[in-house]
Amino acid sequence: EPEVTQTPSHQVTQMGQEVILRCVPISNHLYFYWYRQILGQKVEFLVSFYNNEISEKSEIFDDQFSVERPDGSNFTLKIRSTKLEDSAMYFCASSLRDPSQSEKLFFGSGTQLSVL
Amino acid sequence: KQEVTQIPAALSVPEGENLVLNCSFTDSAIYNLQWFRQDPGKGLTSLLLIQSSQREQTSGRLNASLDKSSGRSTLYIAASQPGDSATYLCAGPYGGSQGNLIFGKGTKLSVKP
Repeated sequence: EPEVTQTPSHQVTQMGQEVILRCVPISNHLYFYWYRQILGQKVEFLVSFYNNEISEKSEIFDDQFSVERPDGSNFTLKIRSTKLEDSAMYFCASSLRDPSQSEKLFFGSGTQLSVL
Repeated sequence: KQEVTQIPAALSVPEGENLVLNCSFTDSAIYNLQWFRQDPGKGLTSLLLIQSSQREQTSGRLNASLDKSSGRSTLYIAASQPGDSATYLCAGPYGGSQGNLIFGKGTKLSVKP
């Protein structure tokens, strides 16, 4: 069964460093997302991406964050200067169609980011 | 703004028991609601998606219902098994957004053999 793949599974970085989290969405999907979950808290929406541009972003997704689809398969989340509070599990997701048409989202296994 | 609440936060049952997990939401204009399963340290697996025009969805031993007027959804698990042990999350879209799902905090289910 097709799945969303995320690498690395764990990332440790020093505060102030840049990190890039990588995702390979399901191959024929057109809509891509990043979510995060701080330990013990709810899963939170960060950003949605379609047709090579951001469709929607949350208040969390400030200027320190950026997303990119550099080729036909990868979807990346970059944090330019990490802060302690960026420590969380980051989930990538994708869907075939517009989720407002009641389309399921498929999630990856996540990247656990630890900022020291 | 959509708020999603799940009760109970944790539930422990003996194997074989039927159980119900509850989810409530504040925006009745919701156009769908999804139930997910999350295993420790793992991603989210979509279990069921109920469209606003539907009242129920079934998949195997799982049955999810949606009552927009009361702002509630339930996930019914029949004949629970130890392998059902996980955290179950419900999520609804925020307004007319594309993929901005608002999640509940989840119900952590433990099924004892």
